[in-house]
Amino acid sequence: EVQLVESGGGLVQPGGSLRLSCAASGFTFSSYEMNWVRQAPGKGLEWVSYISSSGSTIYYADSVKGRFTISRDNAKNSLYLQMNSLRAEDTAVYYCAREAVAAGAFDIWGQGTMVTVSS
Amino acid sequence: QSALTQPRSVSGSPGQSVTISCTGTSSDVGGYNYVSWYQQHPGKAPKLMIYDVSKRPSGVPDRFSGSKSGNTASLTISGLQAEDEADYYCCSYAGSYAVVFGGGTKLTVL
Repeated sequence: EVQLVESGGGLVQPGGSLRLSCAASGFTFSSYEMNWVRQAPGKGLEWVSYISSSGSTIYYADSVKGRFTISRDNAKNSLYLQMNSLRAEDTAVYYCAREAVAAGAFDIWGQGTMVTVSS
Repeated sequence: QSALTQPRSVSGSPGQSVTISCTGTSSDVGGYNYVSWYQQHPGKAPKLMIYDVSKRPSGVPDRFSGSKSGNTASLTISGLQAEDEADYYCCSYAGSYAVVFGGGTKLTVL
């Protein structure tokens, strides 16, 4: 079964750090571009970051640029998001998503992991 | 990267058709044929329903169709069913690998 499973969410104080992980199974992870997308409570979807299949090309939304770092380990079939200098507005469910045949076409999503930034 | 504009809510009766609009600019929706649509039920992850403006992934019923004219994309759901009640989000590539979503539309099946 094709599957993505996120982990690493939790409660963190403003200014703190957190590292999210996404474990992939059921497909050739190293062949796919991957993304992180988040959703604040009761709000819409927001694209966060993209990484190419090899990890050589990376992009970020302006809202997280300079604070978040996306990475992947193809040998471990895993995607990561290192989040530093966290703010209250980063509170959201974070999803990892596989990119299908075109930009913005995310065909497989994880179940999400909740990140709460609060003192 | 401003969000795409969607109506907050739409509704329809079973068997009817509804259309959800998604308005952007020439820098996103109007500039690329990379518009996708997602269905999200409460507490669940989004599901890809349409990509590349009008293509359906395997397993998505042909009751779901997509189109685009200028800076506005549309999702049409025909033969509405109770299980179609959900939130729907449009999404567009916006150049320099930026992806922008719409604010979401709540579909109510009356």
